Amino acid sequence: DIQMTQSPSTVSASVGDRVSITCRASQNINNWLAWYQQKPGKAPKLLIYKSSSLESGVPSRFSGSGSGTEFTLTISGLQPDDFATYYCQQYKNYSPRLTFGGGTKVEIK
Amino acid sequence: EVQLVESGGGLGQPGGSLRVSCAASGFIFSNCAMSWVRQAPGKGLEWVSVISGSGNSRDYADSVKGRFTISRDNSKNTLYLQMNSLRAEDTAEYYCAKSRTVTKGPDAFDMWGQGTMVIVSS
Repeated sequence: DIQMTQSPSTVSASVGDRVSITCRASQNINNWLAWYQQKPGKAPKLLIYKSSSLESGVPSRFSGSGSGTEFTLTISGLQPDDFATYYCQQYKNYSPRLTFGGGTKVEIK
Repeated sequence: EVQLVESGGGLGQPGGSLRVSCAASGFIFSNCAMSWVRQAPGKGLEWVSVISGSGNSRDYADSVKGRFTISRDNSKNTLYLQMNSLRAEDTAEYYCAKSRTVTKGPDAFDMWGQGTMVIVSS
């Protein structure tokens, strides 16, 4: 079973800050990693797929990097709309399950 | 416009059954694998099940295997999740999610429904 560990669980930041979130996989997942943004009461939204590919319509201040077991989501120049919870997800294998990280809440400092 | 709309959530008894549905529009439904992902109140995301575009291949998380059944009707552009032997820990918002590409393998999810809440309680 591939475990996904996100850190930190919460980050306090101000508008304009650069924020980085880390996701570690318990085994090699190559670059089969996605990042999602979720706001309270809403469905998740895909930001990044295949570790570093930006989903259509997502602002370029979001970027992803990494391969193997360590990955990073970076928000360059935090905007008011970016305060949300972010999840990573590995999709190397369905079996035994696709797995998500535990989430990182980006809150206003 | 690509849209996924879930329905059928509500209150279920422990040991009972519920079926949730997801109506799809705006894309070629039969080309896309579809998944169910759930989120318990205040908790993170948990993948539940996936079905291939043709419906011939299915997979389940261990937590629901043998109790839940995923299916689809491509003539109606609708995805289903039949939930039997419900437990309190199945209480969650249930989202349907569309695979980003037409690959047969695992994929990221580029479209999600708004969710439907399932509460298991006596």
